[in-house]
Amino acid sequence: GDSVTQMEGPVTLSEEAFLTINCTYTATGYPSLFWYVQYPGEGLQLLLKATKADDKGSNKGFEATYRKETTSFHLEKGSVQVSDSAVYFCALSFPNDYKLSFGAGTTVTVRA
Amino acid sequence: EAGVAQSPRYKIIEKRQSVAFWCNPISGHATLYWYQQILGQGPKLLIQFQNNGVVDDSQLPKDRFSAERLKGVDSTLKIQPAKLEDSAVYLCASSLEGTSTDTQYFGPGTRLTVL
Repeated sequence: GDSVTQMEGPVTLSEEAFLTINCTYTATGYPSLFWYVQYPGEGLQLLLKATKADDKGSNKGFEATYRKETTSFHLEKGSVQVSDSAVYFCALSFPNDYKLSFGAGTTVTVRA
Repeated sequence: EAGVAQSPRYKIIEKRQSVAFWCNPISGHATLYWYQQILGQGPKLLIQFQNNGVVDDSQLPKDRFSAERLKGVDSTLKIQPAKLEDSAVYLCASSLEGTSTDTQYFGPGTRLTVL
C-alpha cells in the first residue's frame, strides 16, 4: 500500500545550521506531497506542498522538491532558528483518495 | 478567521467506559476529517465527511467507534466501549472542498488516556 517514510529523530541543531529531513514515499501513481508542522502546544498546520513532479514547495525559508525518479520530497532550510523547533510530518494524498497518509514525524530542536 | 475548534482538550477514562469528542470546523468548509494519532506515529484517518455524508470510513473500528455530522457542520466522534489501545490524540480537520490538493486545517486535538 501507499506509505511515507521519514528520517527518524530527534534532530538537534544549533541556530543558523542547515536542516534536512528526508522523506520518501511508496505509491502507485503520482500523489500530491505535503509537509505539515506541529509547533509545541499547537495544532498541525500545512508548511508547504507540491502537486506534480519537479514542483518545488516553499514557505518560511523551507523548501522541498517533488522528485519522481527517487520518490522523495526532502525538506530543507538553510539557516534554522529556535522558533523552528517543532515536529515535522511528511504526507501524501491521491486525487481519488483524498485522505492524507502521514509519516511518523521528525522532532527537531534548535538550540540558541 | 476562527480555526477548527475541538473539545475537550484532555480526557481520562477507564477501559470499557464511553467517551465523546466534539469538533466545529472552519465556517464554510464542506469536508471534515477525524484522525487518530498514537504517540510516536503520524495521524491516521478514521473518517471523512463531505457535508453530512460519509466519504470514507474504511479505517474506523465500527464495532466501537461512531461518528456523525448533523446538518453538515459540527461533528462528534464516540468510542463505546473504550480499550487501552484507544489512548491517542484525536484530531479534527476541515477543508474547503475535500480535493487531494486542498489544504486541511487541523484543530488542537483531544488527548485521550484510557486506564
